[in-house]
Amino acid sequence: AQSVTQLGSHVSVSEGALVLLRCNYSSSVPPYLFWYVQYPNQGLQLLLKYTSAATLVKGINGFEAEFKKSETSFHLTKPSAHMSDAAEYFCAVSLPSGGSYIPTFGRGTSLIVHP
Amino acid sequence: NAGVTQTPKFQVLKTGQSMTLQCAQDMNHEYMSWYRQDPGMGLRLIHYSVGAGITDQGEVPNGYNVSRSTTEDFPLRLLSAAPSQTSVYFCASTSGYRENYGYTFGSGTRLTVV
Repeated sequence: AQSVTQLGSHVSVSEGALVLLRCNYSSSVPPYLFWYVQYPNQGLQLLLKYTSAATLVKGINGFEAEFKKSETSFHLTKPSAHMSDAAEYFCAVSLPSGGSYIPTFGRGTSLIVHP
Repeated sequence: NAGVTQTPKFQVLKTGQSMTLQCAQDMNHEYMSWYRQDPGMGLRLIHYSVGAGITDQGEVPNGYNVSRSTTEDFPLRLLSAAPSQTSVYFCASTSGYRENYGYTFGSGTRLTVV
């Protein structure tokens, strides 16, 4: 079985500040990991995914995430926040072998960006 | 544009009414799924399908039916609407059920049951 925990339902940053959204996972086998972004009144959009080829994954809009097996984490970062980054962010995990391929989503973190 | 299309975007139902939420994708994706999104709950899987003619239950299937007669369409039926089914519903699809492709989501249907 797999699960994912997103720490903090809301994260507030100033424009230009570092963005850090936390995601920890639990799985019995090496997982697939994803970050999705949801802008108001829209569906989810894939931001980036962990493919097991590289631990640092770069996504769209300047976001990146680092897979740390020892910490079972896949935190999302962006060096400098922009007003347009304000959205809901979801971490998701699925198991490519020996488990369910169906992704399990975290409860989401709302990113608030102040001018 | 290729993608996942959901209709309607908004719907208000009275308790006990039935309706069908439509979902269509034109990417020839084998895997399709329905989620509901409620505040603070993230996304919860209702039903999914790994191909035409094959469906299975997710985490919260009660009160919902699905069928998959074609690769493109995956409608979600509410049998007898209840206020607890007030939610935003998302359909999603992927070409690689067993691969790391990620999912394409529709824009959602906002359902209110009164």
